[in-house]
Amino acid sequence: SQTIHQWPATLVQPVGSPLSLECTVEGTSNPNLYWYRQAAGRGLQLLFYSVGIGQISSEVPQNLSASRPQDRQFILSSKKLLLSDSGFYLCAWSGAGGSYNEQFFGPGTRLTVL
Amino acid sequence: DQQVKQNSPSLSVQEGRISILNCDYTNSMFDYFLWYKKYPAEGPTFLISISSIKDKNEDGRFTVFLNKSAKHLSLHIVPSQPGDSAVYFCAASGSGGSNYKLTFGKGTLLTVNP
Repeated sequence: SQTIHQWPATLVQPVGSPLSLECTVEGTSNPNLYWYRQAAGRGLQLLFYSVGIGQISSEVPQNLSASRPQDRQFILSSKKLLLSDSGFYLCAWSGAGGSYNEQFFGPGTRLTVL
Repeated sequence: DQQVKQNSPSLSVQEGRISILNCDYTNSMFDYFLWYKKYPAEGPTFLISISSIKDKNEDGRFTVFLNKSAKHLSLHIVPSQPGDSAVYFCAASGSGGSNYKLTFGKGTLLTVNP
């Protein structure tokens, strides 16, 4: 069966510091991968998606970036965090073993920028 | 421009009764619809989906109805249980292309009272 991992689970960072959140998927190959953010009281906003290694599409202009160095690894980064980057970050996958229409989410990372 | 709308931020239902969660969409290119359930500080869990070629899909206590002419879908939970208390997100995708991006509504908080 497929599993998706995210770490860390929680993170408190000062404004201006860098960020690296990691997501890995097990039990599938060639998944589509996605990064979402849920801000307080808001819905899920798609930030980035990837259909293959090195292929990243950005949905929302911001100071975040994403990379996919391996087939089942997706990384969300920032060089300098802003207060507005606080939120709940979710990684998701879709594809082989499921359906490309159905996305399966990881446990999330709670990021607080102070 | 919100393409997927969940106009009820919250819903309260008695245990054993029916819960009906509603969702409207504006993009006629959407052809696949999903419902997710989310507990606080966890990733969303996929519940049930429906393709635009159907008007009903049932899985245990959960049934999703799709009215394409009205661009409306609903999730029925019968009978409702206290463990169903969570935020429910409606999502939609158009399967054209390779990204299968999901557009989410803002969610409805369901509270099932014992």
